[in-house]
Amino acid sequence: QQQVKQSPQSLIVQKGGISIINCAYENTAFDYFPWYQQFPGKGPALLIAIRPDVSEKKEGRFTISFNKSAKQFSLHIMDSQPGDSATYFCAASIAGNNRKLIWGLGTSLAVNP
Amino acid sequence: NAGVMQNPRHLVRRRGQEARLRCSPMKGHSHVYWYRQLPEEGLKFMVYLQKENIIDESGMPKERFSAEFPKEGPSILRIQQVVRGDSAAYFCASSPGLAGGAYEQYFGPGTRLTVT
Repeated sequence: QQQVKQSPQSLIVQKGGISIINCAYENTAFDYFPWYQQFPGKGPALLIAIRPDVSEKKEGRFTISFNKSAKQFSLHIMDSQPGDSATYFCAASIAGNNRKLIWGLGTSLAVNP
Repeated sequence: NAGVMQNPRHLVRRRGQEARLRCSPMKGHSHVYWYRQLPEEGLKFMVYLQKENIIDESGMPKERFSAEFPKEGPSILRIQQVVRGDSAAYFCASSPGLAGGAYEQYFGPGTRLTVT
């Protein structure tokens, strides 16, 4: 059973467009939600993260929107660039569970020039 | 400030051999997590260690796999008698610890294990 469900599996966006990736979770005990970016052959790199006490967090072109009642959170990449082409993973963790990350299956993003 | 280091980056083992994967956390970090990534899949938690202690090994197979994080030196993930199904990318992540609300985990470049 996938505790964190991520969609879409793949996404193609034109340069300058907005990329939107969604995640949904079941366990209401999750209290930390990071997004990671991974390039082929590399390790995941922490992009941005949010706690459930805020509904939105923005860092540069990356924004997380969080909907606690719907148990959903999403990553928005504004002004998408070819260099953003990578696989994006959402994850979640719980303080009482040693903060081990539970991962979505990833979204492969391709930004066309 | 050096990031998380893992070696080797690539490791090829024949079935039945042992694989040793090493991870040096970021300076000042004393907590290490190991994750496994199978092709076309997300990452799966394996084990969480602090210096000289295994805190949570709930994601690690009961047989053939072990991990340690000694007082001195890197964390080691050891796989004995490897099988083809162990072929995957293994990542470690370091964290400053759970105190003070530090939740971030920073990942190394991974070790890609191929079992032939």
